[in-house]
Amino acid sequence: ILNVEQSPQSLHVQEGDSTNFTCSFPSSNFYALHWYRWETAKSPEALFVMTLNGDEKKKGRISATLNTKEGYSYLYIKGSQPEDSATYLCASRGSGANNLFFGTGTRLTVIP
Amino acid sequence: EAGVAQSPRYKIIEKRQSVAFWCNPISGHATLYWYQQILGQGPKLLIQFQNNGVVDDSQLPKDRFSAERLKGVDSTLKIQPAKLEDSAVYLCASSQLAPGELFFGEGSRLTVL
Repeated sequence: ILNVEQSPQSLHVQEGDSTNFTCSFPSSNFYALHWYRWETAKSPEALFVMTLNGDEKKKGRISATLNTKEGYSYLYIKGSQPEDSATYLCASRGSGANNLFFGTGTRLTVIP
Repeated sequence: EAGVAQSPRYKIIEKRQSVAFWCNPISGHATLYWYQQILGQGPKLLIQFQNNGVVDDSQLPKDRFSAERLKGVDSTLKIQPAKLEDSAVYLCASSQLAPGELFFGEGSRLTVL
């Protein structure tokens, strides 16, 4: 079992603000880091799957970075919009493992 | 492409009753997962299937939970008898590779009274 931690637990931002959250995971035997967005009453949806140290991925206003040596990933949202309101989950997979271990998520509320 | 289908979306039962959840993964996805997400916690893997074989069920409470995946497609998760602490969202997910990107269903929310 991998210990994956996310911070903050919840966050309220004003529309137009930029924000970021942190995911920390065990750096030893790292294989992959996933980010998912889970809107209320919908399915969790994959944002990024990252494997390489220093990797940076972007999808629209959302981007993520990965540091496998120190065991953390940042998710950034630029110019938050109300539709960005969701819980953002990260999950880590260790090498040789078949499954993902999830953090508890960061619940983002964007205030119009 | 059709997504992962789950039913029922909501279920309320009393403790000691039984309940079953159904999942139909994305066509062609060999790997199927059942996760339990208790309020305030991250999703926890209950069981992972590769085709119709079990890859990991180490966190499945086998005294009351059971799951099967007949013919390597649909899957059912059963709880019998239910306890109060089983109140959670039960998420089904599938992937082409294990574990590549997961595709989730909308979940089945269980309330045990």
